[in-house]
Amino acid sequence: DAGVIQSPRHEVTEMGQEVTLRCKPISGHDYLFWYRQTMMRGLELLIYFNNNVPIDDSGMPEDRFSAKMPNASFSTLKIQPSEPRDSAVYFCASSRGVSYGYTFGSGTRLTVV
Amino acid sequence: QKEVEQDPGPLSVPEGAIVSLNCTYSNSAFQYFMWYRQYSRKGPELLMYTYSSGNKEDGRFTAQVDKSSKYISLFIRDSQPSDSATYLCAMPDSNYQLIWGAGTKLIIKP
Repeated sequence: DAGVIQSPRHEVTEMGQEVTLRCKPISGHDYLFWYRQTMMRGLELLIYFNNNVPIDDSGMPEDRFSAKMPNASFSTLKIQPSEPRDSAVYFCASSRGVSYGYTFGSGTRLTVV
Repeated sequence: QKEVEQDPGPLSVPEGAIVSLNCTYSNSAFQYFMWYRQYSRKGPELLMYTYSSGNKEDGRFTAQVDKSSKYISLFIRDSQPSDSATYLCAMPDSNYQLIWGAGTKLIIKP
C-alpha cells in the first residue's frame, strides 16, 4: 500500500491566486480528513468526509476554502483567492473509522507571497 | 484552558536515556488515547493506541494511562537519535474527532 498520497509537496503562489491541493486516501478507508498545521496553532481539522460526503466543515476558516471528494479515491482542497496567512502545511489523512488511528500523507507545504 | 495540554519542549536527552513524554486532559469522558510521532517535514504517524487505563508496551515504547489523574505518558527506553521527532498525544472526543496536544519536540543527543 502506497499510503496516503498528497500533491504537490510544495506550492509557492502569489496572493490572490487559486490553489488546489490533492489527496488520494488509502483504499478501503471510509474517512478522509484535511488538516492544517502551523507553529502557532498546531494541527487544525478543516473538514472531514465519510463515504465521500462532507460531515463537518466547521474548521474551514473562510468561504475562500472549499473541499470536494468526488469519489472514494480522490479529494481536493481549494483556496481561492489565497492570502499570505494561508501559508502552512496542509495534511490529508484517512481512516477506517473514527475510533481508529489516522494515516497521514506527507503534506503540502503552501507558501503564499 | 485547552482540553489537552502538552509541554512543547524541546526535551533534550542523551542517547540511551529513558524518555518520559506526558499529556494532561480535562474531559473525563475520553476513553481512547493515541500517541503520534512526527518527523520533520513528514506527516504524523500513529505510534501507540490505548483504551482506558493501564499500560501498553510495544518494543522500546510503553504507553501509560491514568484516568483518575487525567494523565497519559509515553516512555521510550534506550532512546536512539532516530527517536528525535515531535510526539503528539491525541484522543477522540464524543463526536469521535481527535483532540490534539501541541506536541513535544524530542532531541536525542548521540
